[in-house]
Amino acid sequence: DIQMTQSPSSLSASVRDRVTITCRASQSIGISLNWYQQKPGKAPQLVIFAASSLQGEVPSRFTGSGSGTDFTLTITSLQPEDFATYYCQQSYSTPYTFGQGTNLEIK
Amino acid sequence: QVHLVQSGAEVKKPGASVKVSCKASGYTFTGYHMNWLRQAPGQGPEWMGWINPNTGGTNYASKFQGRVTMIRDTSISTAYMELNSLRSDDTAVYYCASSSSWEGWWFDPWGQGTLVTVSS
Repeated sequence: DIQMTQSPSSLSASVRDRVTITCRASQSIGISLNWYQQKPGKAPQLVIFAASSLQGEVPSRFTGSGSGTDFTLTITSLQPEDFATYYCQQSYSTPYTFGQGTNLEIK
Repeated sequence: QVHLVQSGAEVKKPGASVKVSCKASGYTFTGYHMNWLRQAPGQGPEWMGWINPNTGGTNYASKFQGRVTMIRDTSISTAYMELNSLRSDDTAVYYCASSSSWEGWWFDPWGQGTLVTVSS
């Protein structure tokens, strides 16, 4: 199975800050990397697919990049609604696996 | 609007089975794979497998092979996931989520989740 490792596991930031979350795969996965946002008591929601494509109406302050084994999710100018837990997920091969999550908290 | 609505919370005893349903609306049910995932408290999601609603074909994660069954009823656009021989560590929120085999295996949208509690 492909292991996904996120860092940091938690992050404190302020509104209007810029933050970056990193995700590393245990083997090369091309651009088969997706990011989800999850708020307490809710299902995860897709934010970025195929490493850098923005889903639907997700604001442009969200940016994904990377390929191979190293990926990043960057959020510029944090807004109050962005504080949540973020997960990366590889869609390269089954079983599809997720990182352990990054909890983005308000400072 | 694409929508997945799951059945309600369940409480089961160890060794029992649970069956969770997921009703789809707003799109062609047979056009997209339906995945089942679960999330234990404080953990990331875990993919359990998918069913192709068009053919009924399935792909289960090896961890759940022999214990999970995914079926669908196309007449009512509903997918089902049954997990047998429940243990306490099966306590989790179970989700259905759609994905496209030709676009890529990301999950969107998700159902609202079904809490399954396994306790004696």
